Amino acid sequence: EMQVVESGGGLVKPGGSLRLSCAASGFTFSEAWMSWVRQAPGRGLEWVGRIKSKIHDETTDYAAPVQGRFSISRDDSKNMLYLQMNSLKTDDTAVYFCTTLTILTGYYPPCFGDWGQGILVTVSS
Amino acid sequence: QSVLTQPPSVSGAPGQGVTISCTGSSSNVGAGYDVHWYQQLPGTVPKLLIYGNSNRPSGVPDRFSGFKSGTSASLAITGLQAEDEADYYCQSFDSTLSGYVFGTGTQVTVL
Repeated sequence: EMQVVESGGGLVKPGGSLRLSCAASGFTFSEAWMSWVRQAPGRGLEWVGRIKSKIHDETTDYAAPVQGRFSISRDDSKNMLYLQMNSLKTDDTAVYFCTTLTILTGYYPPCFGDWGQGILVTVSS
Repeated sequence: QSVLTQPPSVSGAPGQGVTISCTGSSSNVGAGYDVHWYQQLPGTVPKLLIYGNSNRPSGVPDRFSGFKSGTSASLAITGLQAEDEADYYCQSFDSTLSGYVFGTGTQVTVL
């Protein structure tokens, strides 16, 4: 069974940093494109960023609100995905979901396949 | 603010049908990018409901159907059931933003 489990959330002050981790199991992690999606309290879904697989050069892309502040990385030897968040703002308060990206033959973009339960990040003084 | 606009809420009586629109532009849906739909039941994580505009993953009832035309897409739910009360989101890609985008979300209420 495919599973992703987030950890590392919590309370951080504005301007601070936090690193989220995502442990993957039940699928060939090294071949997977992975992504982070967030959801602010009572709000909708917002894509944060994506990292491709090693065969695709582990290319990363980010949403404009987090570009230059957030960084996604992966450790295929440990089946782990990471989200490094720097210069955090109160607007970054949200539940962060680790997700797989399913590449669909004949369709673009990929869709978000398996989701973790999410981890809460609260940015407040 | 999302570049994919959905109505904040729709409602219908049990057994009736509702349609949720997802309105984009020439840089996303209108550019030919495909649309996926997700269902988020209260207190749960989103689940893929429709992929590639109109395809249902295994296990999704055929009461759910998707359609795309021009700069918009839509999700139709027929034979509404109480268990369909949830938030629904469309998703695509935007070439101007160079990233994946979600719709603003629609809350479906079964009266």
